[in-house]
Amino acid sequence: DAGVIQSPRHEVTEMGQEVTLRCKPISGHDYLFWYRQTMMRGLELLIYFNNNVPIDDSGMPEDRFSAKMPNASFSTLKIQPSEPRDSAVYFCASSPGPSVGNTIYFGEGSWLTVV
Amino acid sequence: AQTVTQSQPEMSVQEAETVTLSCTYDTSESDYYLFWYKQPPSRQMILVIRQEAYKQQNATENRFSVNFQKAAKSFSLKISDSQLGDAAMYFCAYRSGGMEGAQKLVFGQGTRLTINP
Repeated sequence: DAGVIQSPRHEVTEMGQEVTLRCKPISGHDYLFWYRQTMMRGLELLIYFNNNVPIDDSGMPEDRFSAKMPNASFSTLKIQPSEPRDSAVYFCASSPGPSVGNTIYFGEGSWLTVV
Repeated sequence: AQTVTQSQPEMSVQEAETVTLSCTYDTSESDYYLFWYKQPPSRQMILVIRQEAYKQQNATENRFSVNFQKAAKSFSLKISDSQLGDAAMYFCAYRSGGMEGAQKLVFGQGTRLTINP
C-alpha cells in the first residue's frame, strides 16, 4: 500500500514568493495532519482535518499560512508570502479514526528553504 | 492539555548493548495511546512501537520494548542489542483514544541516540 505522499520533497524559494506543499493521505484515512519541524521549536502541529473539515488550526502561525482539503485524497499547505523563518521540514500525516486504529503515519516531509 | 516530556536530550550506547530512553506524560484522560517514533538523518518519521493505555501488557516489537507505568505516567523505550542503524532521534508521542479528545499527536522534545561501534 502506498503511504502518505508529499510533494515537493525539496523546495528552495526566494522570500516573498508563494509556496504550495501538497499531500495525498493514505486511502481510507479520516484524519490528515500538517506538522512543521524546526531546530528551535521541534515538531509543531499546524492544522488537522477530519473528513476534510479543519478541526484545529490553532497552530497555524499567521495569516500567511493557509491549508485546504478539497477532497479525501488531497490537501495543500500554502505560504504566501514566504519568509526565511518559514524554512523547515513540513510533514503531512494521516490516520484512521479512533474506532479503527490510532497510529498516525507520516509522509517523508517537504524540506523548505526560503532565502 | 496533554504534555510529553523527554528529559534526555542525548544518549549514547555501545553497539550490542541495551539502552533505555525515558518519557513521561501528563493527562487527565483514561483512554489514550502512546507511541515511539524514530527519525533518522533522512528526517522520515518511522513508527517504532505503540501502546494502548487500556492494555497492562507492555508492547514489544523485536528488539524494542516499552515499560508502561500508567499510574506514574511513564513510558520508556528499551532497545536491546543496539545496532548502528538504531542511531536516530527518538520521539515519544501521545494521542487521545476517544472521539471526544483531540486527535493530534503531542510530541516530546526528542532524544538523540548515538550508537558507538
